[in-house]
Amino acid sequence: AQSVTQLDSHVSVSEGTPVLLRCNYSSSYSPSLFWYVQHPNKGLQLLLKYTSAATLVKGINGFEAEFKKSETSFHLTKPSAHMSDAAEYFCVVSDYNTDKLIFGTGTRLQVFP
Amino acid sequence: EAGVAQSPRYKIIEKRQSVAFWCNPISGHATLYWYQQILGQGPKLLIQFQNNGVVDDSQLPKDRFSAERLKGVDSTLKIQPAKLEDSAVYLCASSQQPNTEAFFGQGTRLTVV
Repeated sequence: AQSVTQLDSHVSVSEGTPVLLRCNYSSSYSPSLFWYVQHPNKGLQLLLKYTSAATLVKGINGFEAEFKKSETSFHLTKPSAHMSDAAEYFCVVSDYNTDKLIFGTGTRLQVFP
Repeated sequence: EAGVAQSPRYKIIEKRQSVAFWCNPISGHATLYWYQQILGQGPKLLIQFQNNGVVDDSQLPKDRFSAERLKGVDSTLKIQPAKLEDSAVYLCASSQQPNTEAFFGQGTRLTVV
C-alpha cells in the first residue's frame, strides 16, 4: 500500500535561511509525488510535482524538490525563506496501481524575522 | 480558467441534523475527490469519483455519509445525522485524470455543536 511520511511536524527557520521539509514515501509502483501548501484559512495550492521526468523539480515561489528513488525521499527545499512562506506543507503520493492521492500529516513551517 | 467551486464556505449545525455540501469541479476534469481535514491533520480521502462512477469510498462512513456526482460534473456530499466528530473542513478537488495534479476548492468548514 502506498503511504507518505513527513518526518517533521514543525520546522522553524529565520528569514533568509534555507528551508528543508522532509518527506519519505512508500509505493509499490512508479509514483507521482506532489507538494502542496496551505496558508491559514485558505485552500491547498500545488507547489510542484514529480511525474517520472527530471528528478529535480522546480516549483513556484523558489521551491524545489528532488526525487531520490534509492532513498524513497522527496524533500522540499528553498535556499532562502521569506516571511510569506509560513504555512502548512503537505507531501502527497499517488501511483498508477491505486489512482489515489494520499496525503502526509503535514509540516508547519514558521519563519522568524 | 475557473477553479473548483465549493459552497457553502461555513456551516454550523447541531448534532443529529443533516447537512449537504456542493462542489463544481474544473470543466473537463474527470476525477473528483472529497477530503475531510480535521484541525491539525492532513486531508483524508473520503471518496473519489472517475466521471460519475465511484473509484474509492473505502474511508467513507457509509452509515451517515453519502456522495453522488450527477452526470459526471457537480458533486454533493451529505452527512445525516451529523456527529460532533464530523467537525472539519471538507475539501473538494478535481483533476484531469487520476495521478495528475489535483486542484482544490476553498473548502467548507463544518462545525457540529
